[in-house]
Amino acid sequence: QQQVKQSPQSLIVQKGGISIINCAYENTAFDYFPWYQQFPGKGPALLIAIRPDVSEKKEGRFTISFNKSAKQFSLHIMDSQPGDSATYFCAAGLYNFNKFYFGSGTKLNVKP
Amino acid sequence: SQTIHQWPATLVQPVGSPLSLECTVEGTSNPNLYWYRQAAGRGLQLLFYSVGIGQISSEVPQNLSASRPQDRQFILSSKKLLLSDSGFYLCAWIPPHSETQYFGPGTRLLVL
Repeated sequence: QQQVKQSPQSLIVQKGGISIINCAYENTAFDYFPWYQQFPGKGPALLIAIRPDVSEKKEGRFTISFNKSAKQFSLHIMDSQPGDSATYFCAAGLYNFNKFYFGSGTKLNVKP
Repeated sequence: SQTIHQWPATLVQPVGSPLSLECTVEGTSNPNLYWYRQAAGRGLQLLFYSVGIGQISSEVPQNLSASRPQDRQFILSSKKLLLSDSGFYLCAWIPPHSETQYFGPGTRLLVL
């Protein structure tokens, strides 16, 4: 059973536009939801993360929106730039157990 | 400073040959350690994780094994590689009392 479902698989956005990536999870016990950014040939790097006690978290141009009742969360990239072109992964896990399940990834291409 | 190392960076192996990938972490003690596999264009699949020396949890039954002979060393092994073992192998760690997972640079394995 896939614990975390991510969509879309790929996304093309014009420079300056808003990129939106969505994830849904199954296990209501999950209490930590990070997003990772991965450039080709590199390991993923933590971008932003949220705990379920808040509905939104913003860091610069990156915002996580969290809907606990729907078991969904999303990443919004405002004013998308060509340098944001990368693969983005959502994840969900149990904070105290330090174990995470990853979505299948979204390949973002921001066109100049 | 805290860093994670993986080697080799790239590996080409024939089917049926053994495998040993090494991961070491510097600058911390008693980290949680993880092995993930990323198939081409796919998400991250958790293979093994370890919360201490000699303590290994397997997430997916397959012909791979993991060992943690020292606190900051995590080894991924196989006695006989399969074609399906090809992929990008990522080691990751979480420091004590932290929720942030850091990834290594990865090892690209091609089984021919």
